[in-house]
Amino acid sequence: QVQLVESGGGVVQAGGSLRLSCGASGFTFSGHDMHWVRQAPGQGLEWVSFIQYDGTNKNYADSVAGRVTISRDNSKNMLYLEMNSLRPEDTAIYYCAKPSGSCIDSWGQGILVTVSS
Amino acid sequence: EIVLTQSPATLSLSPGERATLSCRASQSVNYLAWYQQKRGQAPRLLIYDTSKRLNGVPDRFRGSGSGTDFTLTISSLEPEDFAVYYCQQRGHWLLTFGGGTKVEI
Repeated sequence: QVQLVESGGGVVQAGGSLRLSCGASGFTFSGHDMHWVRQAPGQGLEWVSFIQYDGTNKNYADSVAGRVTISRDNSKNMLYLEMNSLRPEDTAIYYCAKPSGSCIDSWGQGILVTVSS
Repeated sequence: EIVLTQSPATLSLSPGERATLSCRASQSVNYLAWYQQKRGQAPRLLIYDTSKRLNGVPDRFRGSGSGTDFTLTISSLEPEDFAVYYCQQRGHWLLTFGGGTKVEI
């Protein structure tokens, strides 16, 4: 079955950097687009970033554009999110998410990123 | 960018009652998905392509609608259905989520 496991979260000071990773298994990773979605404490879901199956195309939410880079290594079945110039408002649980058609059919367990001021 | 507005924000009901959750899009969308999220858990896909139930989702969950107005109906609430529900649509290389509806006892 599909498994998505995030890692790399933690506490970082404002202005700092963090790299999130997501290990994928149970499906052909190289054939699937992927997303990152986040959820601030007590808040709703917010889409963060998209990467096409082969890494050709990427997209970012306005709230993170210019500070975040999504990438993938299909040889390792890994998805990444490099986050720089972190702000307190970036504090959230970050989910790695696998789309199927127009929806997300598999989610990781999420990883907490806390940005302290 | 399409905005999804969910209403009500909170729905206070009792087990056995019917729940009607609304999701309104700022522009016409082709397909909508619905997710259930319980405290401390990742979202769980319930409905995709507006009205198709994922395998294993009870038939008390029904998605409907078209254009800009969509509805998730839970015909008779079970204790495990009390959770937060989100609608979602896919744009060009992005996703949009509604703000959520909390279904509480």
